[in-house]
Amino acid sequence: NAGVTQTPKFQVLKTGQSMTLQCAQDMNHEYMSWYRQDPGMGLRLIHYSVGAGITDQGEVPNGYNVSRSTTEDFPLRLLSAAPSQTSVYFCASSRLSSYNEQFFGPGTRLTVL
Amino acid sequence: DAKTTQPTSMDCAEGRAANLPCNHSTISGNEYVYWYRQIHSQGPQYIIHGLKNNETNEMASLIITEDRKSSTLILPHATLRDTAVYYCIVRLMKTSYDKVIFGPGTSLSVIP
Repeated sequence: NAGVTQTPKFQVLKTGQSMTLQCAQDMNHEYMSWYRQDPGMGLRLIHYSVGAGITDQGEVPNGYNVSRSTTEDFPLRLLSAAPSQTSVYFCASSRLSSYNEQFFGPGTRLTVL
Repeated sequence: DAKTTQPTSMDCAEGRAANLPCNHSTISGNEYVYWYRQIHSQGPQYIIHGLKNNETNEMASLIITEDRKSSTLILPHATLRDTAVYYCIVRLMKTSYDKVIFGPGTSLSVIP
């Protein structure tokens, strides 16, 4: 199993550009989530999904959209990038019955100029 | 969810046991204690969890006090690869999924 994969690893955007961060898992996990990590702030939940076709907001959802058309994929879209979205983004997945035991991807380091 | 308090940083000599404390004095009876770690530039990694009994797996041991108000993660023979930020989290097994679960954690440095 590849586990949780994320692409790209690094990305530089200009303010106002849009892009999609990709996340995929091959463990047939129902639960998937996106976090951002900023220095000194731990990880903050952006959006999450408990299954295909179901998504919901976390703590910091503004400026981000998600969709879950398949169990495997959970892309994160930045609609109009802002410098405040400069961060490291992690995708995670788990079984719904044990969603606190999450498997994390390697992260995407995003810089918005 | 109960709030946790961890030291900001700790050092440990290579080969010695690393004991990482966590206070969770407001923990409720059906909340579990989870530990994750994050090695620099990687995604967090689940380590272990427990309710009230001590737990051990191939990575670590978890000691929870009898009153459940604190716990200690033990890495029995720390190596340089154990240098990481360690997160202590208190959660219900099934709860609202929209809660933030990670705080600043403890930065453990294993010293040669």
